[in-house]
Amino acid sequence: AQSVAQPEDQVNVAEGNPLTVKCTYSVSGNPYLFWYVQYPNRGLQFLLKYITGDNLVKGSYGFEAEFNKSQTSFHLKKPSALVSDSALYFCAVRHSGAGSYQLTFGKGTKLSVIP
Amino acid sequence: DSGVTQTPKHLITATGQRVTLRCSPRSGDLSVYWYQQSLDQGLQFLIQYYNGEERAKGNILERFSAQQFPDLHSELNLSSLELGDSALYFCASSVAGRDAGELFFGEGSRLTVL
Repeated sequence: AQSVAQPEDQVNVAEGNPLTVKCTYSVSGNPYLFWYVQYPNRGLQFLLKYITGDNLVKGSYGFEAEFNKSQTSFHLKKPSALVSDSALYFCAVRHSGAGSYQLTFGKGTKLSVIP
Repeated sequence: DSGVTQTPKHLITATGQRVTLRCSPRSGDLSVYWYQQSLDQGLQFLIQYYNGEERAKGNILERFSAQQFPDLHSELNLSSLELGDSALYFCASSVAGRDAGELFFGEGSRLTVL
């Protein structure tokens, strides 16, 4: 079964500093990996995905993620954090069953960017 | 705006009652997914429909059921409600095909069971 783990419940970073939100995965076969962001009282918004190709994936709002097959990781990164980046971030892996594309999500990591 | 519409946004009801949550997917999306988000369980996949047919089932209780109608909107029915059913229920939709893993989420329906 596919699963992802987000080892940190919360990450605090100062505005302007680089940020990293960690994610590791466990899948059978090729991993299809995603990052979503959830702002308070809102739905989840898609940030980026890794399907195949370059290990560095660029997404929305200046975020990027690095796929590392040997470490089974897919960490979310941003060179310079903004206060407006404060939100809940979810890593997800796509189910590999035939015809079904539901995502399995991690527990989420709360990112707080301190002014 | 993701294009996925969920109603109602908030719902307060009593234990033992039944509620129906409604979802309209993005125009052209054939798949609808239901997720439950709670503080202790995180985001849990409940069920998926594709073009009116059930495609996958997750951690959905027997007290819960869903369907997708010919116009592709979907309803999630929750019955014999318990306090523990209080949660945020999300609907998501996607197109069919290789890139179907990108789900578009609605704003959610917040259910409070008293």
